Amino acid sequence: KAGVTQTPRYLIKTRGQQVTLSCSPISGHRSVSWYQQTPGQGLQFLFEYFSETQRNKGNFPGRFSGRQFSNSRSEMNVSTLELGDSALYLCASSLRTGYNSPLHFGNGTRLTVT
Amino acid sequence: DQQVKQNSPSLSVQEGRISILNCDYTNSMFDYFLWYKKYPAEGPTFLISISSIKDKNEDGRFTVFLNKSAKHLSLHIVPSQPGDSAVYFCAASISSGSARQLTFGSGTQLTVLP
Repeated sequence: KAGVTQTPRYLIKTRGQQVTLSCSPISGHRSVSWYQQTPGQGLQFLFEYFSETQRNKGNFPGRFSGRQFSNSRSEMNVSTLELGDSALYLCASSLRTGYNSPLHFGNGTRLTVT
Repeated sequence: DQQVKQNSPSLSVQEGRISILNCDYTNSMFDYFLWYKKYPAEGPTFLISISSIKDKNEDGRFTVFLNKSAKHLSLHIVPSQPGDSAVYFCAASISSGSARQLTFGSGTQLTVLP
């Protein structure tokens, strides 16, 4: 069974630009979550989608947005990029939402903002 | 304010010995805890979890202990193997409600020396 696929793996953008990251969950998984990892900060929750609906949102500015399509694939968008947005963005899928459904992470998209 | 803290950024252990990774949390609403392992250039992989109704959960070489009164959990790896060298993240969540949000610690780099 294919794992969680994130594209692209690496991205370099300029401050002020916008970026879209893509995530294909494991087949059959309906929940997709996004996390940001920065050095020394661990992973910080961005948002979770289930059945095309945003179920929960972390403490990030409105420049960070996402959506989920009917095939459970998800995209994350960051507008007006800032230098501090440079991070590893991780997508995770699970069979269902809820605390005890294990998250399966992709290998991430490394975003560098210059 | 970090609600989940891993105060040791790194730990070195000899092969065959026990590795003990520690994690503290401040939010008393957390009642479900997980450990993830992360190799470079890969996404985190789920290791083991524990509900607050238990104080210990075991899976092969991995055991997680939970001390609710101290708001402390630990991961024991016995015996440690060189392949265990990775960054270990503890994470916490609240089981009530249907949304899924994990709060992660900043990680501990474990190095198992041959």
